[in-house]
Amino acid sequence: KAGVTQTPRYLIKTRGQQVTLSCSPISGHRSVSWYQQTPGQGLQFLFEYFSETQRNKGNFPGRFSGRQFSNSRSEMNVSTLELGDSALYLCASSSQGWDYGYTFGSGTRLTVV
Amino acid sequence: GQQVMQIPQYQHVQEGEDFTTYCNSSTTLSNIQWYKQRPGGHPVFLIQLVKSGEVKKQKRLTFQFGEAKKNSSLHITATQTTDVGTYFCAGGYQKVTFGIGTKLQVIP
Repeated sequence: KAGVTQTPRYLIKTRGQQVTLSCSPISGHRSVSWYQQTPGQGLQFLFEYFSETQRNKGNFPGRFSGRQFSNSRSEMNVSTLELGDSALYLCASSSQGWDYGYTFGSGTRLTVV
Repeated sequence: GQQVMQIPQYQHVQEGEDFTTYCNSSTTLSNIQWYKQRPGGHPVFLIQLVKSGEVKKQKRLTFQFGEAKKNSSLHITATQTTDVGTYFCAGGYQKVTFGIGTKLQVIP
C-alpha cells in the first residue's frame, strides 16, 4: 500500500513569491490535513480537507490556502512568502479524520530567502 | 483555546535507563495519540488511547491515559539507541492539538 506522497521534497523561494505544495494521500483516505513544523513552534495545524471541503482551519493568515480534488489529492498554496514561512510542511492522511490516526508524508522543506 | 502541554522538552538518558514523557491538556480529550519522529524524518503514528484509565503496551513502551482523560504518559523501559527521536502527543475533541514534543537523546 503506497504511503502519503508529498512533492516537491525541497523548495527554495524568494520573499514575495508564491508556492504550491502537493500531497497525494493513501488510497481510500478522504481526509487530508496540513501542518507547519518549525523547531520553536512544533506542529502547527493549517487546515483539514474532507471530501473536497475544508472542515477545519488553524490560525494562519489568509496567505495560506488549500484545496482538495475529487481524487482526494490536496494542494497547499502560500502567497507573498515571508522569511518566517521557512519550515517543514507536512501532509497527514486519514480515512475519516484525525481521531482515526494520521499517516504523515515525508514533508516539503520550504526555505524562503 | 485547547492547549496540550508536553514535558520535558528535552531528555538525555544513558542507554538502558528508563524514560517518561508527560502530556497534559487544559480540556477533556476524546482520545490521545502518540507519534514518534526520528531525526530528519516525519511523525509516525504509534498508538491511540480512547478509554479513561487505559493502559497499552508495545514491547518496551507503555502508554497511559488518565482517569479524567486530560493527561497521558509514555514510558520507555531500558532505552536503546533506536529510541532516539521526538515523541509527540496529540489530542483533542473536534480538532486536534499536538504537544511541543519531547526530544529523546540516548547516550550509548
